[in-house]
Amino acid sequence: QVQLVESGGGVVQPGRSLRLSCAASGFTFSNYGMHWVRQAPGKGLEWVALISYDGSNIDYADSVKGRFTISRDNSKKTLYLQMSSLRADDTAVYYCAKRGAARGYPIDYWGQGTLVTVSS
Amino acid sequence: DIQMTQSPSSLSASVGDRVTITCRASQDISNYLVWFQQKPGKAPKSLIYGASNLQSGVPSKFSGSGSGTDFTLTISSLQPEDFATYYCQQYNSYPYTFGQGTKLEIK
Repeated sequence: QVQLVESGGGVVQPGRSLRLSCAASGFTFSNYGMHWVRQAPGKGLEWVALISYDGSNIDYADSVKGRFTISRDNSKKTLYLQMSSLRADDTAVYYCAKRGAARGYPIDYWGQGTLVTVSS
Repeated sequence: DIQMTQSPSSLSASVGDRVTITCRASQDISNYLVWFQQKPGKAPKSLIYGASNLQSGVPSKFSGSGSGTDFTLTISSLQPEDFATYYCQQYNSYPYTFGQGTKLEIK
């Protein structure tokens, strides 16, 4: 079965950096695009970034563009999110999510999330 | 960016009821719409993709319809485990925006 396990969250000071990881199993990781989606405490879902199956196509939400970098290592079946210049409003649970195979490639599976708290 | 607006924002219903949640896109997204269910403290779960296709393993009590800008999620015969927050998301164009969520509560 598909499993996505995020790690790397924690408490970080404003302006600092943090790298999140998402370990994938149960499917051929190198065949699927992947997303990061976040959810601030008590708020709704916000799409953050997308990377294609081979890393050749990447897109970001305007709120993180220039500060966050999505990447992947298909040999390790792992997705990453490098976050820099962190701000208080980046505080959220960060989920990795797998693109499906249906037309348009909708999200079909989610990880359990990892909490990032930006605070001094 | 495409704005996704769900209504209502919250909804009270009883076990056994049938409910409908609406999602409206600010521009035509064809049928590139997905519905998610999220329970407190848990990750979202995919229910429906392509506006009307049931995700594998999702019971047929969930159904979706619509195309273009107007979409609905219908849940029939509500059970206690169905009380959750529901989100729509468009995947027609970047950024892949979500609706603000509809919280379904027990009456």
